Amino acid sequence: AQSVTQLDSQVPVFEEAPVELRCNYSSSVSVYLFWYVQYPNQGLQLLLKYLSGSTLVESINGFEAEFNKSQTSFHLRKPSVHISDTAEYFCAVSDLGTGGYQKVTFGIGTKLQVIP
Amino acid sequence: KAGVTQTPRYLIKTRGQQVTLSCSPISGHRSVSWYQQTPGQGLQFLFEYFSETQRNKGNFPGRFSGRQFSNSRSEMNVSTLELGDSALYLCASSLWDRDGYTFGSGTRLTVV
Repeated sequence: AQSVTQLDSQVPVFEEAPVELRCNYSSSVSVYLFWYVQYPNQGLQLLLKYLSGSTLVESINGFEAEFNKSQTSFHLRKPSVHISDTAEYFCAVSDLGTGGYQKVTFGIGTKLQVIP
Repeated sequence: KAGVTQTPRYLIKTRGQQVTLSCSPISGHRSVSWYQQTPGQGLQFLFEYFSETQRNKGNFPGRFSGRQFSNSRSEMNVSTLELGDSALYLCASSLWDRDGYTFGSGTRLTVV
């Protein structure tokens, strides 16, 4: 069964500093990879996704993530964070489940706290 | 277009009672998935429905059940509530697997 590991439960970072949120998964056979963001008292929102092709994917608000097949990783980065980036970030992997359908597995989440 | 709508937003129930949560997906989305979110466990997959059929199921006891109607709206039911069922229950819909999910704002269930 697929597993998704987000090693850092909390990441404090000063405003305008760079940040990397790490994500590793267990199986790289034909996967789709996603990052979601959750603001307080809200549901999750899709931030970016990797399906195939270029290993570097970007979001509209400056985040990027790189698919690394050999390391089975999909780390999320931003060169300069803002206060508004304070939220919880979830990595997710979609692959074929035992029933023959795509199944999505989420990491436990990383809380990003941007310090003014 | 309207997003994923979950009702109610908040719910307080007593141990032993049952509860039904509702989810209306984005128009045209036939896949609806349910997750339980708690601070220590993250998002735990409950089940997925596609065109009224349960396609995937997580490792939850039989007290947790769901269904999907012909208009793609979905409900989940929890019977004989326990304190540990207190959580944020999230519904998500998708058109294709590769598109990722669109989530609702969730129903926060508190069992007292």
